[in-house]
Amino acid sequence: QQQVKQSPQSLIVQKGGISIINCAYENTAFDYFPWYQQFPGKGPALLIAIRPDVSEKKEGRFTISFNKSAKQFSLHIMDSQPGDSATYFCAASIKTGFQKLVFGTGTRLLVSP
Amino acid sequence: DARVTQTPRHKVTEMGQEVTMRCQPILGHNTVFWYRQTMMQGLELLAYFRNRAPLDDSGMPKDRFSAEMPDATLATLKIQPSEPRDSAVYFCASGTGSSGNTIYFGEGSWLTVV
Repeated sequence: QQQVKQSPQSLIVQKGGISIINCAYENTAFDYFPWYQQFPGKGPALLIAIRPDVSEKKEGRFTISFNKSAKQFSLHIMDSQPGDSATYFCAASIKTGFQKLVFGTGTRLLVSP
Repeated sequence: DARVTQTPRHKVTEMGQEVTMRCQPILGHNTVFWYRQTMMQGLELLAYFRNRAPLDDSGMPKDRFSAEMPDATLATLKIQPSEPRDSAVYFCASGTGSSGNTIYFGEGSWLTVV
């Protein structure tokens, strides 16, 4: 119940295309869903996050879509750029105080020039 | 530029040796996490502290791993004795209530046990 399932494991997208990464969860107590971006040799960094009271959040080229009934959320990267090539992790936590994040297994994105 | 600082960045050690990794959380952050990253398991939470008190270390092998916060500016993760299966990247992260649920990761300590 504490798991977050992420797919695909890897993704190759052409420059200018749309990258889509999906995550699913079981624990209905989760109420905070961030996406982290990790470049090689670096630690993960927060990219964008959403709470379940909204169905979509957009920041620049990055959009989270959230489906509460299906217990799924996804990251869309519009106009993907080679600089977006990184590993992306979805995560979830319960906002009771300041709680630990449960991470998905990660998606390695490669945007070809 | 506030950031989480981890040392050492890279460590190669022989099986059986003690390894200590150190973390300086962002000043003012009262919650500190230790994560381990491997290709097979992804990011696993080992332990976390709030106001220097351990809240959850259920993800940590108790027989060889220990985590402490001697003071608010230092968190340590110790492995004794180390084994080849401990080879991984160990990340420290910190956060605070005012940062929402955002946690900030350090650049990691890359450990290789041979």
